Amino acid sequence: LAKTTQPISMDSYEGQEVNITCSHNNIATNDYITWYQQFPSQGPRFIIQGYKTKVTNEVASLFIPADRKSSTLSLPRVSLSDTAVYYCLGFSGNTGKLIFGQGTTLQVKP
Amino acid sequence: NAGVTQTPKFRVLKTGQSMTLLCAQDMNHEYMYWYRQDPGMGLRLIHYSVGEGTTAKGEVPDGYNVSRLKKQNFLLGLESAAPSQTSVYFCASSPARASGRTDNEQFFGPGTRLTVL
Repeated sequence: LAKTTQPISMDSYEGQEVNITCSHNNIATNDYITWYQQFPSQGPRFIIQGYKTKVTNEVASLFIPADRKSSTLSLPRVSLSDTAVYYCLGFSGNTGKLIFGQGTTLQVKP
Repeated sequence: NAGVTQTPKFRVLKTGQSMTLLCAQDMNHEYMYWYRQDPGMGLRLIHYSVGEGTTAKGEVPDGYNVSRLKKQNFLLGLESAAPSQTSVYFCASSPARASGRTDNEQFFGPGTRLTVL
């Protein structure tokens, strides 16, 4: 499974677009990149997953360049309720195993 | 659907005591997982199961045992609790890859906060 590296923390203001970049230099051919969100005292929640290029859903967009050594989670027009920890993970398609890192703590300010 | 539920929500143990954490899911998922989360850290995989009757070790399996006798339940046991096992424990489930899905949405329970004195 790919080891991922992401910033420990980020600050933003309401209404701004937030981009969180994750590095995964050793990503394997069969690995997907998955992002989860975790609020205090709750379990993580799936946000988005991709293999390459761009994936968009109602919550976020995920950009993965051709070399797949990094990815960027984009949150459009964040609100205070988007304050959370965001995890970038590699995903093994064989077992469904995820390896969590420390995540990025996003603080959205008014 | 209740999704993934965990019992109990909180527990305080003394060193050396034993206990079992219960995870139940009503989504008919094949895969189930147990994680622990320590302050300021991400989740670490303890054990997981890819189907009824099967279990496998994750990153930090020492001091824990698991059983998956029924598809909907995944039990995590601590035979002799130690202070180092003070943590928040999360259970998760996901459908099998064989179901045709290419994503990996794991559904997490609310967690069990365990303190070992």
